Amino acid sequence: AQSVTQPDIHITVSEGASLELRCNYSYGATPYLFWYVQSPGQGLQLLLKYFSGDTLVQGIKGFEAEFKRSQSSFNLRKPSVHWSDAAEYFCAVGAQGAGGTSYGKLTFGQGTILTVHP
Amino acid sequence: NAGVMQNPRHLVRRRGQEARLRCSPMKGHSHVYWYRQLPEEGLKFMVYLQKENIIDESGMPKERFSAEFPKEGPSILRIQQVVRGDSAAYFCASSHGPRITNEKLFFGSGTQLSVL
Repeated sequence: AQSVTQPDIHITVSEGASLELRCNYSYGATPYLFWYVQSPGQGLQLLLKYFSGDTLVQGIKGFEAEFKRSQSSFNLRKPSVHWSDAAEYFCAVGAQGAGGTSYGKLTFGQGTILTVHP
Repeated sequence: NAGVMQNPRHLVRRRGQEARLRCSPMKGHSHVYWYRQLPEEGLKFMVYLQKENIIDESGMPKERFSAEFPKEGPSILRIQQVVRGDSAAYFCASSHGPRITNEKLFFGSGTQLSVL
């Protein structure tokens, strides 16, 4: 069964500093990988996703993530953090289902809470 | 276009009562997913429904939980005889089609269930 680990429960950065949120996954085949952001009282919003191809993917709000198969990682990065980025971030993996299709059954990590200091 | 609408936002029940959580997917979406988020945990998949059909209920507890997505109206997650351990945030997500490689999942804001 697949699993996702986000080693950092809580990260604090200063506004303008760079950010990297770690995500490690366990899955036997090529995974489908996602990063979502959740603001308080809100649903999850998709930041970016990786299915195949270029291992560096660009997302919304200036985020990017790099898929590294050798390290089973899909870390999220942002060069300069804004105060509005304070939220909880979830990494998720989707599995390839029967017949090569995959639907929205995702396995989520436990999340990383990002605090941004002015 | 309204997003995925969940109601109520907050639901308080006493042990042994029934809880009904509603999810109206985005317009034109016929695929609905329910996830549960326990405190300090990530979201856990519960069930995947397509109009009038349960496609995958592998994450649903075997007892007391049921879900439906009728031809007309919202999807309903029903929890009978609630216990304190059912206290959690329940999220609904919808998509236009089934394939995650072609579609985007849109999440609602969730229903926070508190069992006293």
